[in-house]
Amino acid sequence: GQSLEQPSEVTAVEGAIVQINCTYQTSGFYGLSWYQQHDGGAPTFLSYNALDGLEETGRFSSFLSRSDSYGYLLLQELQMKDSASYFCAGNTGFQKLVFGTGTRLLVSP
Amino acid sequence: KAGVTQTPRYLIKTRGQQVTLSCSPISGHRSVSWYQQTPGQGLQFLFEYFSETQRNKGNFPGRFSGRQFSNSRSEMNVSTLELGDSALYLCASSEGLADNEQFFGPGTRLTVL
Repeated sequence: GQSLEQPSEVTAVEGAIVQINCTYQTSGFYGLSWYQQHDGGAPTFLSYNALDGLEETGRFSSFLSRSDSYGYLLLQELQMKDSASYFCAGNTGFQKLVFGTGTRLLVSP
Repeated sequence: KAGVTQTPRYLIKTRGQQVTLSCSPISGHRSVSWYQQTPGQGLQFLFEYFSETQRNKGNFPGRFSGRQFSNSRSEMNVSTLELGDSALYLCASSEGLADNEQFFGPGTRLTVL
């Protein structure tokens, strides 16, 4: 089967750096995506790693290691508006995303 | 560009009924995917349509079906509703080729009583 595990909750303070991990057990992923979802909102795309290594997009960076079946999302200079749920998702082809269990990030002042 | 729209936003049905949900993708997008989101199971893939053809399907019973029209709008249907079908149903659109970003709509909140 395909499964992606994430910590259920992470807390941090404004201005800090936080890392959200994603470990997966599967084969056939073309890459790993990350999505952000605020309460009551729709998931929004943050980043995609097709290859091993680090991808940087502004305050957000994402990392993938296929050999370790592991990825992470790094959020820098945390802001209150970053409080949301974050999902990793494996891209399996034909637009099918297999989502992780999700991590709720709570940013405090 | 207008975003992905879904109608209705909220729906209440009773067990045994059927329901049809609608999704209008971003203009120019030919792929529409559907997902079910519940607190217990998280976000799960239902199916994906591209140019009116179902290209991929998740592990849901046959009560869940969908279709896509020539203008790329998509509908999903759930027949013989069960209490466990209560969920947020999200659709996502993309160009459907080599792109990796999907654009999600606000979802339809379905409650089955």
